[in-house]
Amino acid sequence: GNSVTQMEGPVTLSEEAFLTINCTYTATGYPSLFWYVQYPGEGLQLLLKATKADDKGSNKGFEATYRKETTSFHLEKGSVQVSDSAVYFCALIMNSGGSNYKLTFGKGTLLTVNP
Amino acid sequence: DAGVIQSPRHEVTEMGQEVTLRCKPISGHNSLFWYRQTMMRGLELLIYFNNNVPIDDSGMPEDRFSAKMPNASFSTLKIQPSEPRDSAVYFCASSWDRSNQPQHFGDGTRLSIL
Repeated sequence: GNSVTQMEGPVTLSEEAFLTINCTYTATGYPSLFWYVQYPGEGLQLLLKATKADDKGSNKGFEATYRKETTSFHLEKGSVQVSDSAVYFCALIMNSGGSNYKLTFGKGTLLTVNP
Repeated sequence: DAGVIQSPRHEVTEMGQEVTLRCKPISGHNSLFWYRQTMMRGLELLIYFNNNVPIDDSGMPEDRFSAKMPNASFSTLKIQPSEPRDSAVYFCASSWDRSNQPQHFGDGTRLSIL
């Protein structure tokens, strides 16, 4: 079956530090890949996506590149801010046949950025 | 644009009571998902509708849980009878059923069963 593995948290950084959250996936075929962010007390929001190999998704200073050869979709940001403190989820969608488009999520990584 | 709307935002009730959670998906979306989030188990997909028809309910924990989607703009998740272990945040999400389309989440219902 499909699965997503992302680095265990929590991750604690100082403001302006470089961020990497690793994500690798297992899927039969070519999934679309997503990063979602969940701020405290809120639902998940789409942060960025990539739908085919070598695509780079970017938003709010965050980037992730779809690497088919390493089955990875690592999230990066060059300079984090306190407001980036949240839980980050890596996810994929495969068409499982017919109309079955289920998201498969990683377990989430808690990021805390200190001033 | 109105996003996915869930109600209530918070629900506190005693065990044994019936609980009904409500969701209005984004207009035009034809897939709807119910998730449960807890510290212990993370984010779990409970059930998934496509064009108002349940496609996959393998995540529904037991017969006490039921979900309906009577039309394209409304869905309910019901727990009867409720138990303390049902305490969690329940999210509804909607999307177009295409592999490159993201799901859009509501703000969730925080359910506490005493």
